Amino acid sequence: NAGVTQTPKFQVLKTGQSMTLQCAQDMNHNSMYWYRQDPGMGLRLIYYSASEGTTDKGEVPNGYNVSRLNKREFSLRLESAAPSQTSVYFCASIRTEMLAFFGQGTRLTVV
Amino acid sequence: AQSVSQHNHHVILSEAASLELGCNYSYGGTVNLFWYVQYPGQHLQLLLKYFSGDPLVKGIKGFEAEFIKSKFSFNLRKPSVQWSDTAEYFCASNDMRFGAGTRLTVKP
Repeated sequence: NAGVTQTPKFQVLKTGQSMTLQCAQDMNHNSMYWYRQDPGMGLRLIYYSASEGTTDKGEVPNGYNVSRLNKREFSLRLESAAPSQTSVYFCASIRTEMLAFFGQGTRLTVV
Repeated sequence: AQSVSQHNHHVILSEAASLELGCNYSYGGTVNLFWYVQYPGQHLQLLLKYFSGDPLVKGIKGFEAEFIKSKFSFNLRKPSVQWSDTAEYFCASNDMRFGAGTRLTVKP
């Protein structure tokens, strides 16, 4: 039982490069969320998807796009990476009562 | 929309000391509150949750939290911490907003 799977686990990008972070869940949850975690700032919500086919902005959406490909998958795209996007990114799959299950995270460094 | 705030950024305790980490929430309709823990190098895991009913909720590993409506608080407690409790602790609301986190260091 995998739960929430994120790929890749680590990535180094050059400024201006693009990449997509993948997230998949096998728990049949409707809601999925993307967060970034930075020292002293906790988790900040980037985008979320309350159900298949819908996405909404969170607290810090600038510089990111998302796709809810199907019920299982929710990807996060950086079109033109900037050093300020260096962070650890977590995907979460949310059960009905707003209980979150997190992936292992992606550590992204933009140089 | 509901939000939560944590005011303790870093707490250092010796083993066997008692722990209390603060979490305050803003009013926003239905109150569902959570505490999550993140051990070094790992992802967040649920410690405990409050939806309704008994305001004292018990979680895993001896942790508990008390929902005090008059104080808008949901503080996390443990009577006697262990070195293995060293981690970062996050309070969260049902809007899926998280507090800034409190880093707990337990000295052996």
